[in-house]
Amino acid sequence: DAGVIQSPRHEVTEMGQEVTLRCKPISGHDYLFWYRQTMMRGLELLIYFNNNVPIDDSGMPEDRFSAKMPNASFSTLKIQPSEPRDSAVYFCASSRTGDWDTEAFFGQGTRLTVV
Amino acid sequence: LAKTTQPISMDSYEGQEVNITCSHNNIATNDYITWYQQFPSQGPRFIIQGYKTKVTNEVASLFIPADRKSSTLSLPRVSLSDTAVYYCLVGKDTGRRALTFGSGTRLQVQP
Repeated sequence: DAGVIQSPRHEVTEMGQEVTLRCKPISGHDYLFWYRQTMMRGLELLIYFNNNVPIDDSGMPEDRFSAKMPNASFSTLKIQPSEPRDSAVYFCASSRTGDWDTEAFFGQGTRLTVV
Repeated sequence: LAKTTQPISMDSYEGQEVNITCSHNNIATNDYITWYQQFPSQGPRFIIQGYKTKVTNEVASLFIPADRKSSTLSLPRVSLSDTAVYYCLVGKDTGRRALTFGSGTRLQVQP
């Protein structure tokens, strides 16, 4: 397996524009996580899915953020409208189960810059 | 979730052994201790996990004393490529099945 695949690797957009980040989890993994990383706040969990169903979205900053998982092999994180403070690296991760003793595999991340 | 405390940063030289200690005083009976490594511009990567005593793999060793209130990640003979942030994670929150990362320890290996 190629691991967790995220696209794009880099995204530069203007304030107010819609941004869509994409993730393909490892096949057979039932859990998918979206994280955001900034210097100030570190790695923050935004939302996670179990079997394509959103389980906990309490980390989503506000209504401008939305995430979907239409099938087991694809998820999107959308920001609309984007703001400069959304600039960060966004990571997607997947794991076989949701237990802490199960290894989570992270993608390479998408570096988002909103100008 | 058990709160963890680890040094913000550490410096070392190539060839030395590095030990990073993590405190987790309120660890629960069924908690595992897991360490992740994050290189610059990459996502975190699982290194090692343990429950008690000692665990060793090809990358590191994890020492856990009997009371489990702390743990030590040991990296033998580090190289420049071990420069990374190391995260200690403890917890098994059945209500929120997702990894929660703290600030981590930034290890800088010098030539």
